[in-house]
Amino acid sequence: GQNIDQPTEMTATEGAIVQINCTYQTSGFNGLFWYQQHAGEAPTFLSYNVLDGLEEKGRFSSFLSRSKGYSYLLLKELQMKDSASYLCAVIFRSGNTPLVFGKGTRLSVIA
Amino acid sequence: DGGITQSPKYLFRKEGQNVTLSCEQNLNHDAMYWYRQDPGQGLRLIYYSQIVNDFQKGDIAEGYSVSREKKESFPLTVTSAQKNPTAFYLCASRDSQETQYFGPGTRLLVL
Repeated sequence: GQNIDQPTEMTATEGAIVQINCTYQTSGFNGLFWYQQHAGEAPTFLSYNVLDGLEEKGRFSSFLSRSKGYSYLLLKELQMKDSASYLCAVIFRSGNTPLVFGKGTRLSVIA
Repeated sequence: DGGITQSPKYLFRKEGQNVTLSCEQNLNHDAMYWYRQDPGQGLRLIYYSQIVNDFQKGDIAEGYSVSREKKESFPLTVTSAQKNPTAFYLCASRDSQETQYFGPGTRLLVL
């Protein structure tokens, strides 16, 4: 199978830093996405990693290690509005294969 | 203003009734997708289409049908054979960089 694993829930304090991990099977791996989904809304695109390393976009950064089958999403200076589910999704092989989604990590930011 | 639209936002289905969910995009994307999301769960792929007049079953296609007669449109029909249709339905399209963008979703409820 093409299992994608991420923690079910996490809690962090406003202003802090939180790291959400995602692991996947490396066979056929072609790229990894992170999406943010607020309750009752559609997922919105955050990042896309194909090569190893860290990509930074404002308060959000995403890291990928292809050889280890591992990624993380790093959120800095947490705000209450960051409370949402974060979905890790992998594209296996190339071209027209659909994304495979993890079940998502529900992040709660508390004061 | 480019984007993906879904209608209606809420849909009610009676026993034995077929209902159709609309998905339209003006992004000129070839590939389109339908997902189902149940409370606290990840996204599960129902059907996808890589090009006009072509579509493939996803992981949970039973009880659903689709058509792709136009590039812009990918409607999903939930048939009476789908015994547990209550869920949040999300449509997406994919750009040339493999990124999927989602519509706002339709929440289907059974009366």
